[in-house]
Parts: sequence; structure tokens; C-alpha cells
Amino acid sequence: EVQLVESGGGLVQPGGSLRLSCAASGFTFNKFWMTWVRQAPGKGLEWVANIEQDGSARYYVDSVKGRFTISRDNAKNSLYLQMSSLRAEDTAVYYCARLMIPGYYFDYWGQGTLVTVSS
Amino acid sequence: QAVLTQPASLSASPGASASLTCTLRSDINVDSSRIHWYQQKPGSPPQYLLNYKSDSDNQQGSGVPSRFSGSKDASANAGILLISGLQSEDEADYYCLIWHRTSYVVFGGGTKLTVL
Repeated sequence: EVQLVESGGGLVQPGGSLRLSCAASGFTFNKFWMTWVRQAPGKGLEWVANIEQDGSARYYVDSVKGRFTISRDNAKNSLYLQMSSLRAEDTAVYYCARLMIPGYYFDYWGQGTLVTVSS
Repeated sequence: QAVLTQPASLSASPGASASLTCTLRSDINVDSSRIHWYQQKPGSPPQYLLNYKSDSDNQQGSGVPSRFSGSKDASANAGILLISGLQSEDEADYYCLIWHRTSYVVFGGGTKLTVL
């Protein structure tokens, strides 16, 4: 059974840093692109970043470029999102998801972890 | 102008059909775009429904009922999610998505579907 479990969320002050983790199981992790998607309270979905199977290619939404870094450890079947210079508008539930190719759709999602940026 | 625009809300009756639109920014041609659709219920992560490029090039998500289907309105430069035989369990938020510039993902703002 495919499982994605996020962790690392919490309360952080503006300007602070946080690292999110996503533990993957039930599939061959190093064969899939992975992604982070976030959802601010009461708002819609926003794609944050993608990472290729070996981590060589990474893509970010403009609003997080230079502040967030997506990475992965295929030996640990884990996906990460290092977030720095956090702003109030980064407050959201952060989901990790698996990208299915062909088709380019996100077929499995974690339950999400809440990040709150507030003083 | 947003890349993808969805109406904020839509209401329909049980047993009826609902047509949810996703309008692409004018510089993005719907004819060459593959539109993906996701459903999200309160407190849960999104679930993949389907993607649609054409009648001969589309894909249903695993376990997704055939009541959910995709289409396009080229005159409106829009993708459409059609839900027929509406059921109370279809009440949810629906998001469209495209892959923009090959490797970047854009979600629409979402439509809250109320079945009443």
C-alpha cells in the first residue's frame, strides 16, 4: 500500500526556518517525481515544487524561489522541503504527492502537515 | 490575469448534471492543453479524478466513476468537468490543473460544488 506521511510542521516566527519531511512507503521511491503542494487556511491549492527522480531537476513556484529548497534522499525513501525566510503568507497545510508519469497526475497524497508563520 | 479561472461556487440538484468550467488565460490555447481535475472534500487531501485533452486522449483516475467526464469549450478557451447523476457525496471542492511551460504546475482557484 502506497503511503506518504508528512511531518515537521509547526509554529514558526516570521523570518524563521522549518524543514518538512515526507516518508514514502509501498512503492519504489526512486522511480517517481515528487511534489509539494500547499493550501492556506480556507483557500485553494497551490503547487510549491517538483523534484525529479534523482534530484537533478527541481522546479519552484515563483513565490518561494530562493527561500525554499526541495530535496530527497532515495536511500531513506524521503522527500524534504527546507523553508527559510518564512512569511505569514506561507501559512498553509503542506502536502507531499507522488507524480505518475505518463499522465502527469498526482495519484497519491499525504494527509498534510500544518505550517503556521506567526509572531 | 490568472492562468486558470474557475467560478467560486456552483449549486445543483441531486440527479442533475453539473458542468464545472476552467477558463485558460488567453495566451494559453485550450486545444493544445491537457486539463487535469481533482476533487477535495473537507479535511482530506485532493483526489485525482481525470485528465482530458481530447475525446481520444483522456484518462480516468483509478476507481473514478464514469459519471465524471471531461470536455472542452474551445470558443470559451475552457476545460469542463461534467458530473452527471449528481449525488450528495459529490459535494466537494473541484480544482483544475495544467502543466505550464513543461515543468511548472498551476491550479485553478477551485469551485465549491453544493448538491442540494
